[in-house]
Amino acid sequence: TQLLEQSPQFLSIQEGENLTVYCNSSSVFSSLQWYRQEPGEGPVLLVTVVTGGEVKKLKRLTFQFGDARKDSSLHITAAQPGDTGLYLCSNQFYFGTGTSLTVIP
Amino acid sequence: DAGVIQSPRHEVTEMGQEVTLRCKPISGHNSLFWYRQTMMRGLELLIYFNNNVPIDDSGMPEDRFSAKMPNASFSTLKIQPSEPRDSAVYFCASSLIGLNTGELFFGEGSRLTVL
Repeated sequence: TQLLEQSPQFLSIQEGENLTVYCNSSSVFSSLQWYRQEPGEGPVLLVTVVTGGEVKKLKRLTFQFGDARKDSSLHITAAQPGDTGLYLCSNQFYFGTGTSLTVIP
Repeated sequence: DAGVIQSPRHEVTEMGQEVTLRCKPISGHNSLFWYRQTMMRGLELLIYFNNNVPIDDSGMPEDRFSAKMPNASFSTLKIQPSEPRDSAVYFCASSLIGLNTGELFFGEGSRLTVL
């Protein structure tokens, strides 16, 4: 088991604000995935990052993999209520502790 | 295309009863995973199979839990006897390991309540 710690654990923001959530580990990963889980559903893959320093964009979401491949961040610009959910980072089959995001209209 | 199918979606049972959760993975996927999700512990990997063979069951809590995959299209997770602390949402996921980044496709989960 590889411990993936995510922060913050909970985040509640107003629509239109920006936010960043983090995923950290003491281990080096060959790749890292970000999933989003909506209430009553299973997690769904958003992106996979592979190369140290890599930045990937998915509309208003920006994912970055740390240079040392031990950490990652997810930045959301102009958050919308539809972004509400649990954001999970993952290394292969093991998941982080999650960040529960609520965007208030 | 059908995704991962789990049943039942909800189950309420009494302590001591046997519980069987079922999963049909996506056709063509070679790996299947069982997870348990709770507020306290998050999403925990219980066991995973590759080509129907259990590869890692180190996450299975104790002997009361068992999982089988008799063929490529079906798996079960059994709890006998069940206890209140087993209450959680149990997810099944499948993947095609080896030919892609290993994206996991999850079912909708089985919510178990043990009274």
